[in-house]
Amino acid sequence: DGGITQSPKYLFRKEGQNVTLSCEQNLNHDAMYWYRQDPGQGLRLIYYSQIVNDFQKGDIAEGYSVSREKKESFPLTVTSAQKNPTAFYLCASKSGTGGIGPYEQYFGPGTRLTVT
Amino acid sequence: AQTVTQSQPEMSVQEAETVTLSCTYDTSESDYYLFWYKQPPSRQMILVIRQEAYKQQNATENRFSVNFQKAAKSFSLKISDSQLGDAAMYFCAYRSPGAAGNKLTFGGGTRVLVKP
Repeated sequence: DGGITQSPKYLFRKEGQNVTLSCEQNLNHDAMYWYRQDPGQGLRLIYYSQIVNDFQKGDIAEGYSVSREKKESFPLTVTSAQKNPTAFYLCASKSGTGGIGPYEQYFGPGTRLTVT
Repeated sequence: AQTVTQSQPEMSVQEAETVTLSCTYDTSESDYYLFWYKQPPSRQMILVIRQEAYKQQNATENRFSVNFQKAAKSFSLKISDSQLGDAAMYFCAYRSPGAAGNKLTFGGGTRVLVKP
């Protein structure tokens, strides 16, 4: 079955530690995205990548880093510089990189990160 | 910058009845795409329906339909014959064809409760 996997589902870390969230897709999609969701709020874009070895900052990139070494993988590192890292993180992918057409973003199941 | 507003934090509906969720957006563009996503308790984001701004006909997907009013910048979602499985958070989202990275802009969400 094609889809997006995120692991782990729940992640706990101590303050001051970096942590990496995994995102893998087998949909052969070019574009991948990381969103953050806080309780009772919508999704906010952290980073996105439209091709391998290239990525761009989204609206709330401070304290986060990403890499895109393979088309199917787009890991997100939450660094100790992120002031309030506890949140739900969603990865998404989209077919093609052009803006024309109502192509949807497909989402993974998410990772709940708790930092204490 | 585009903004998406969902003015109803929570809506309650009796099973088999109809509920309408409101969404308004702010844009100066004439061509864009609108989406409704459902987020059940599992927190997986699932596309419910999409609408292309250049199409006058309202989109329909089984029990889900939209009322797209371009001049009023309104994009409401109607759920007919509500079922217990419809209980979820619903997010309205906007995408511009020219947006960097084809990013989605999300509203704050509306929680739908379905009473048996």
